[in-house]
Amino acid sequence: NAGVTQTPKFQVLKTGQSMTLQCAQDMNHEYMSWYRQDPGMGLRLIHYSVGAGITDQGEVPNGYNVSRSTTEDFPLRLLSAAPSQTSVYFCASNTGGPGGELFFGEGSRLTVL
Amino acid sequence: EDQVTQSPEALRLQEGESSSLNCSYTVSGLRGLFWYRQDPGKGPEFLFTLYSAGEEKEKERLKATLTKKESFLHITAPKPEDSATYLCAVDGGSQGNLIFGKGTKLSVKP
Repeated sequence: NAGVTQTPKFQVLKTGQSMTLQCAQDMNHEYMSWYRQDPGMGLRLIHYSVGAGITDQGEVPNGYNVSRSTTEDFPLRLLSAAPSQTSVYFCASNTGGPGGELFFGEGSRLTVL
Repeated sequence: EDQVTQSPEALRLQEGESSSLNCSYTVSGLRGLFWYRQDPGKGPEFLFTLYSAGEEKEKERLKATLTKKESFLHITAPKPEDSATYLCAVDGGSQGNLIFGKGTKLSVKP
């Protein structure tokens, strides 16, 4: 079982560039979410989705865009990268809804120069 | 404001030296408290869910307990492979998403 798969694992961008972080899960989970993790701070929720076609904002949504066209995929788009978006990004999913046990991907480390 | 505070930030133990990690929380209505383990360069891995005060869960050398204001992760006779960052999260906010603490980095020396 692959679980939650994130690509790429590492990425370097220049300020102003755009890119998409990919997330796919093969567990048929309805709930998917994106977090960012920065040194000295807890995981912070960016966007989440409770099912295909439904997305909502989390704690730190500015500068990011998401869509959920299928149950399996939940890509995170950076519209115009800024140095403040340098972080490690985690995708997570579960079957029980937002408050349940989350299954995390291995993370995508993004550096914006 | 919903908040989760973990202490200490870092903990160094000798192999076999038991200790506890603390997670205190303030939420309007707790629906669940979660413990995760995170190894360097990896995503968090689920350990326990606690739902009500007085509840306890055990897994190998780890035991999680819950009161109305805090949770403890007790580590009995730790081994070097227990070294990791331990994250606490609560489900109690208005949106229902998990609120994470900053974590406790545990190092166990042989």
